[in-house]
Amino acid sequence: AQSVTQPDIHITVSEGASLELRCNYSYGATPYLFWYVQSPGQGLQLLLKYFSGDTLVQGIKGFEAEFKRSQSSFNLRKPSVHWSDAAEYFCAVGAGGNEKLTFGTGTRLTIIP
Amino acid sequence: EAGVAQSPRYKIIEKRQSVAFWCNPISGHATLYWYQQILGQGPKLLIQFQNNGVVDDSQLPKDRFSAERLKGVDSTLKIQPAKLEDSAVYLCASSWMGLTSFADTQYFGPGTRLTVL
Repeated sequence: AQSVTQPDIHITVSEGASLELRCNYSYGATPYLFWYVQSPGQGLQLLLKYFSGDTLVQGIKGFEAEFKRSQSSFNLRKPSVHWSDAAEYFCAVGAGGNEKLTFGTGTRLTIIP
Repeated sequence: EAGVAQSPRYKIIEKRQSVAFWCNPISGHATLYWYQQILGQGPKLLIQFQNNGVVDDSQLPKDRFSAERLKGVDSTLKIQPAKLEDSAVYLCASSWMGLTSFADTQYFGPGTRLTVL
């Protein structure tokens, strides 16, 4: 069965600093990988997704993620965070077709001035 | 385009009572999902509909949870009777085809926060 691990429950970053959120997955074949963001009181919004091809994926709001098969990782990065990036971030893995997504437990991001 | 609509946004009930949530997906989306998100956890799929048929309900506690999607558009999720451990945010999502593929994205509603006392 597929699974996702987000080892950091909470991360605090200064505004303007770089950010990296970790995600490790477990899946036997080539996975479909996603990053979602959830602001307080809001639903989840898709930031980016990986299916195949270039292992560096660009998303919305200046985010990017890199798929590393050898490390079973799909870490999310942003070179300079803004106060509006404070939210909960979820990594998810899917098997393709109409298989369901499996989400990680999330990383809460706090931005300090 | 309008997003996924859910109501109510908040609900507080006593244990053993019943409750229902409503979801209206994005127009034209064939697939509708209900997720349960317990505090501190990621969303967990409860049920997935393709039009008005069930694709996956393997994680739906069928002794107390039920869901329907009449006419392949909006959907209701019901809990009867509720337990303390049902306290969670219930998220509805929809997608065009229901495929975990490049062309398909799940769009989420704001959720309903349920508190069971």
